[in-house]
Amino acid sequence: GEDVEQSLFLSVREGDSSVINCTYTDSSSTYLYWYKQEPGAGLQLLTYIFSNMDMKQDQRLTVLLNKKDKHLSLRIADTQTGDSAIYFCAERMDSSYKLIFGSGTRLLVRP
Amino acid sequence: EPEVTQTPSHQVTQMGQEVILRCVPISNHLYFYWYRQILGQKVEFLVSFYNNEISEKSEIFDDQFSVERPDGSNFTLKIRSTKLEDSAMYFCASSGAGELFFGEGSRLTVL
Repeated sequence: GEDVEQSLFLSVREGDSSVINCTYTDSSSTYLYWYKQEPGAGLQLLTYIFSNMDMKQDQRLTVLLNKKDKHLSLRIADTQTGDSAIYFCAERMDSSYKLIFGSGTRLLVRP
Repeated sequence: EPEVTQTPSHQVTQMGQEVILRCVPISNHLYFYWYRQILGQKVEFLVSFYNNEISEKSEIFDDQFSVERPDGSNFTLKIRSTKLEDSAMYFCASSGAGELFFGEGSRLTVL
């Protein structure tokens, strides 16, 4: 069945890199997404990657996709206190428009 | 930057009442969605809408739910007779190609 798993919590020091990991089960995923949710706010699209790509970089964000292991990661370089939020990984499968979300990883950035 | 807007931001209603949540998707997008997030749980897909009809729906989207695009801009979610377990944050989203953008959400509290 469809499932997306993430670790629940990550704590890093300001200025360090953060790496948030995600695993998914469906090999027919076409797009994989990272969203950020701050307290009481909506889901902000950070970046997404098409399944035929291995890597995508966008300023401080780097997404790595290992399709063989069904593993997706989001690296945030030079993490700032404003990056503290919940980060959701989501997959979209071929021939479907719905996203399957993980439970979210709460990132805490310590000054 | 174009954005998805939702109203109301918060609605409190009595069990059994009808509720309509409204959304204005991004203007050149063709695919529209509703998701919900019960407090502390995953973001769950409810329904997708394309070309004036439902293209996909989840098991959650039963006969109590309906969606409509009454004019060229609004996209609504109606819950006919609310139950306590309908209390959640409801997110509208729209997409063009790969990107999928969410609104800030409408928090529904059923008493």
